[in-house]
Amino acid sequence: EDQVTQSPEALRLQEGESSSLNCSYTVSGLRGLFWYRQDPGKGPEFLFTLYSAGEEKEKERLKATLTKKESFLHITAPKPEDSATYLCAVQEGIQGAQKLVFGQGTRLTINP
Amino acid sequence: DTGVSQNPRHKITKRGQNVTFRCDPISEHNRLYWYRQTLGQGPEFLTYFQNEAQLEKSRLLSDRFSAERPKGSFSTLEIQRTEQGDSAMYLCASSFRVSGRYEQFFGPGTRLTVL
Repeated sequence: EDQVTQSPEALRLQEGESSSLNCSYTVSGLRGLFWYRQDPGKGPEFLFTLYSAGEEKEKERLKATLTKKESFLHITAPKPEDSATYLCAVQEGIQGAQKLVFGQGTRLTINP
Repeated sequence: DTGVSQNPRHKITKRGQNVTFRCDPISEHNRLYWYRQTLGQGPEFLTYFQNEAQLEKSRLLSDRFSAERPKGSFSTLEIQRTEQGDSAMYLCASSFRVSGRYEQFFGPGTRLTVL
């Protein structure tokens, strides 16, 4: 069965202090790995999709990378508005498979 | 606003009552998904539709749960005889193939509280 594990569960940083969030996965053939941001009481907001090992994508202060077993979300010089829960999800590369399997998320707090 | 919309945003009900939620996907998105999320956890897949056909259902979707997408546009999720364990955020997402990929875009969710 597909599994996604995110670490750490919670991370508190000072403004400007760069760090990385980890997403480890086991899946029967990866179709895609997705990163979402979720603010309290709201639905997840799509950030990135990664499809193959070695792929990288960037958006503002965020950079996502992918290997065969894990993905990292690097946050460079974060600001308080980057505080949120970051969710990682995988989609199987099986014919007809559409569901996303999510990790439990990393709750990120950026202190001013 | 052209994003996914869900109604109501909040629902409080008593145990044993039936509730129905609605999801309007992004226009022209042919796939629609329902997920459930409890506090401190990631969303869990419930079911998905391609156009009006329901193609996959999770084991989480007990007999008390039913979902429809009658005209391939909006969808409804009904929970019969609600239980306190049904309290959760119910999320809807939609997708449309772009170059062979399916990114899923989520709505704001419906927060259900069963008393």
